Amino acid sequence: GAGVSQSPRYKVAKRGQDVALRCDPISGHVSLFWYQQALGQGPEFLTYFQNEAQLDKSGLPSDRFFAERPEGSVSTLKIQRTQQEDSAVYLCASSPPPAIRYTFGSGTRLTVV
Amino acid sequence: QQQVKQSPQSLIVQKGGISIINCAYENTAFDYFPWYQQFPGKGPALLIAIRPDVSEKKEGRFTISFNKSAKQFSLHIMDSQPGDSATYFCAASTTSGTYKYIFGTGTRLKVLA
Repeated sequence: GAGVSQSPRYKVAKRGQDVALRCDPISGHVSLFWYQQALGQGPEFLTYFQNEAQLDKSGLPSDRFFAERPEGSVSTLKIQRTQQEDSAVYLCASSPPPAIRYTFGSGTRLTVV
Repeated sequence: QQQVKQSPQSLIVQKGGISIINCAYENTAFDYFPWYQQFPGKGPALLIAIRPDVSEKKEGRFTISFNKSAKQFSLHIMDSQPGDSATYFCAASTTSGTYKYIFGTGTRLKVLA
């Protein structure tokens, strides 16, 4: 597609529920990033993939967060046992090489109640 | 050392005026400094970016000024328009390794008609 597509756009989860957020990057973009944006704040880095390899996961806040990109295209961010502090917009970005110029998707707004 | 400090938090400018947003960083390893524009409900979109080997870069009404010795950079929006009303984020990254961005906290700009 023309841009980075994320789904769902909105997700309401009960505390303790598992969620999965999907990202379809721009075709041919080998680099894929996940960021978390809390309300009124700048995005914060979560993890980075180059093709199917997860090269940096230093930003994942806990072991409840897991990301994968098994075929080097679509990526899924999974959050287990969601907590209220997980409420945020989760942004996906992709980039052709070099990976420095991102195109962001519109994000998934997760609300944990 | 990984922080990027952004000011002001909010800014109101008359139509036709100049909007100025400032950022400061600490990590001298940063060598790529983009500015992103974000509208409500949308992901950040790249406006303009600069590398530290130049002191100024201009694209249309948008100019980045960069002061390497002071570790500061700023975005100038000339002839500001109501359509420029958005949140602006500065960021910093290295062009090696993960390419992850460290974002500022954002500036909410309102341009009055």
